[in-house]
Amino acid sequence: GDSVTQMEGPVTLSEEAFLTINCTYTATGYPSLFWYVQYPGEGLQLLLKATKADDKGSNKGFEATYRKETTSFHLEKGSVQVSDSAVYFCALRPLGGSQGNLIFGKGTKLSVKP
Amino acid sequence: NAGVTQTPKFQVLKTGQSMTLQCAQDMNHEYMSWYRQDPGMGLRLIHYSVGAGITDQGEVPNGYNVSRSTTEDFPLRLLSAAPSQTSVYFCASSKGDRQYFGPGTRLTVT
Repeated sequence: GDSVTQMEGPVTLSEEAFLTINCTYTATGYPSLFWYVQYPGEGLQLLLKATKADDKGSNKGFEATYRKETTSFHLEKGSVQVSDSAVYFCALRPLGGSQGNLIFGKGTKLSVKP
Repeated sequence: NAGVTQTPKFQVLKTGQSMTLQCAQDMNHEYMSWYRQDPGMGLRLIHYSVGAGITDQGEVPNGYNVSRSTTEDFPLRLLSAAPSQTSVYFCASSKGDRQYFGPGTRLTVT
């Protein structure tokens, strides 16, 4: 079945460092891909998405590019801030799947220190 | 708009007790879902609904029941709580490709 694999955490960075969180997927066809963020004590929020190959999703300085050749959707940010400390989830919606049916990775906890 | 609301925020149950986790949304979304979040496991889909009167099972449905009598409400029922159901539960509603999550219910079963 479809699945998402993302890098194990936790990831600890200093403020203004470059961030990469790796995400790869296994799926039939070309699923829609997402990054969600969960701040402490809150529910998940959509950070960015891409719905077809070579699409780049971006939001709040974060970017991810849908790479069908490598079945990847890595999350990047050029300069992280303390306020970016959160858990980041990569997810996919299977091709033809219901809107209410996402498959999530296990999450990567990011801690940014001043 | 309140978005997606969940009650209660915290709950402690004894093994064998039953309870209902409430979820409501005021965005008129057809799609609603329940997930559980466990350390190192990410989010796993319990049940979902594509509209009033229609529900389906997700990845981990055992021990849980749902119903969808209105567009707004999607309660999750634990029939006989077990320690393995200790988790954080999130309800979500969907519009297009975007899911909107509630703040979660932290459930402990002793």
